[in-house]
Amino acid sequence: GAGVSQSPSNKVTEKGKDVELRCDPISGHTALYWYRQSLGQGLEFLIYFQGNSAPDKSGLPSDRFSAERTGGSVSTLTIQRTQQEDSAVYLCASSLGGANVLTFGAGSRLTVL
Amino acid sequence: QQQVKQSPQSLIVQKGGISIINCAYENTAFDYFPWYQQFPGKGPALLIAIRPDVSEKKEGRFTISFNKSAKQFSLHIMDSQPGDSATYFCAAFWIYKYIFGTGTRLKVLA
Repeated sequence: GAGVSQSPSNKVTEKGKDVELRCDPISGHTALYWYRQSLGQGLEFLIYFQGNSAPDKSGLPSDRFSAERTGGSVSTLTIQRTQQEDSAVYLCASSLGGANVLTFGAGSRLTVL
Repeated sequence: QQQVKQSPQSLIVQKGGISIINCAYENTAFDYFPWYQQFPGKGPALLIAIRPDVSEKKEGRFTISFNKSAKQFSLHIMDSQPGDSATYFCAAFWIYKYIFGTGTRLKVLA
């Protein structure tokens, strides 16, 4: 596609529920990243995919967080048993790899009540 | 060592003035330094970027100054406009990883 698409754009959930956030990267982009942006904060690295593999998962905050990528394209970030501290904007970005332009989606705003 | 320190946290500038945002890093392996601009409700978008083999890069009203020995780089916005009001992030890249600064919220007064 023309840009990175993320869905849903907004998600309100209750504490303890599971949520799935989806990212459709730019076609042909082999590198895919997930970042978390808390209110007024910077961009916190979560995970990096090269193709379908995730060589760096070091930023995932806990084992409640997981992500996968299929077909070298779509990625899903799953948060199990959500907590209020998980409330944030989750940003997906993709690139051709290496020091190429990183293109971000508009983000998925997650609110955990 | 993986951190990128960004300052100031917020900045207010009069229209037509110069906005300056500074970043510092420790890891000398970083080899690409982009700046991203983010408007409310949008994802960050690449503004301008520099590699460490040059000391300055200019694109329109935006200039990156890079000081390799001091491990510092800065964004200068000349003739700042109200439309430049946004959050700016510096970043440093190494192998595959982008490390972002904490962001600077810029407000340009009309």
